[in-house]
Amino acid sequence: KQEVTQIPAALSVPEGENLVLNCSFTDSAIYNLQWFRQDPGKGLTSLLLIQSSQREQTSGRLNASLDKSSGRSTLYIAASQPGDSATYLCAATNQGGKLIFGQGTELSVKP
Amino acid sequence: DVKVTQSSRYLVKRTGEKVFLECVQDMDHENMFWYRQDPGLGLRLIYFSYDVKMKEKGDIPEGYSVSREKKERFSLILESASTNQTSMYLCATAGYSYNEQFFGPGTRLTVL
Repeated sequence: KQEVTQIPAALSVPEGENLVLNCSFTDSAIYNLQWFRQDPGKGLTSLLLIQSSQREQTSGRLNASLDKSSGRSTLYIAASQPGDSATYLCAATNQGGKLIFGQGTELSVKP
Repeated sequence: DVKVTQSSRYLVKRTGEKVFLECVQDMDHENMFWYRQDPGLGLRLIYFSYDVKMKEKGDIPEGYSVSREKKERFSLILESASTNQTSMYLCATAGYSYNEQFFGPGTRLTVL
């Protein structure tokens, strides 16, 4: 059974810092991995999707990597801003086409 | 841009009531999903649908049913609401089973 873990559960950084959020999964037979952002009380916003054949995807200040063999993905945020404060969730698409979510990392960027 | 809308942002119902949560998408996507999100438990899949009139149980279907009469609309039904169904409910849509999922704004349901 696929399990997705995100560490740390919470992270606080000063504005301008580069940071890395971690996601690990137990079953490497995934079709893709998706990173989401969730603001308090809101729905999920898709940030990046990495297909299983890809190693990384970039969008603006965000870069996501995928290493299937080690069961890991990272989300790199460059030059963090207070507006980046949110919960970040990763989710792996498994054999049945279902998303398996991690518990999320709550990020706080202090001005 | 994909747009996924949900009928209510906040809903308060009483125990035993029948509750309908509606989700509408405007991108002609085949797949639609209903999740609930609870602190400490994360997001869990309730039901999903690959096509009109088709439905599949997710991980926690007990106490719920769904309806998909039209491609753009996917309804979640709580036949007899209970307090343990108080939660944030999120709808999502995807073009194909393994494609990127897009989420709606969520419905915060409180059952008293």
